[in-house]
Amino acid sequence: DVKVTQSSRYLVKRTGEKVFLECVQDMDHENMFWYRQDPGLGLRLIYFSYDVKMKEKGDIPEGYSVSREKKERFSLILESASTNQTSMYLCASSQLNRDQAFFGQGTRLTVV
Amino acid sequence: QQQVKQSPQSLIVQKGGIPIINCAYENTAFDYFPWYQQFPGKGPALLIAIRPDVSEKKEGRFTISFNKSAKQFSLHIMDSQPGDSATYFCAASGGYQKVTFGIGTKLQVIP
Repeated sequence: DVKVTQSSRYLVKRTGEKVFLECVQDMDHENMFWYRQDPGLGLRLIYFSYDVKMKEKGDIPEGYSVSREKKERFSLILESASTNQTSMYLCASSQLNRDQAFFGQGTRLTVV
Repeated sequence: QQQVKQSPQSLIVQKGGIPIINCAYENTAFDYFPWYQQFPGKGPALLIAIRPDVSEKKEGRFTISFNKSAKQFSLHIMDSQPGDSATYFCAASGGYQKVTFGIGTKLQVIP
């Protein structure tokens, strides 16, 4: 069974904190993605990676960075959390030349 | 700018009804059009997908209709059930595996 695991289901952080969201996939997928999901805005791509140590900006990268040191792990970093980053964060992965994305269960982040 | 426009944002139907969700895209480079289903507290999961070389694809009670010239595609759910209540996202991708999602439709099927 394919699996994308996000380290936390719920997180509450204070404004200005550095926040790490971790994602691990066990399918040996090349591509990994971070999205945020907000009501009325759908899923918006923050960053994606198609290989270890490679990263590409998505549609809304401002305020975020990512790290991919190992193929199976993709981390999203909020350098200085702000209240407008309160959202549901979804990690996904896919094979290099395949279109289907597999999603984790999401991390609901609240910044207070 | 929104590359994939989805409507409606919410939909309520009676059990047995046929909800229809519509999407339109702009980028003619898109060549893969999936629909994802998301239940509360879960991540989206692939429901059904179509490529532009066919006009319709059916899997069980779910059907995608695709109109390449109009750059539109839609999801139909036949004989809808309360268990189909979920949020549905259309999406499109091409080339770089970068999937663009619609804003989602929250479907409620009333018993």
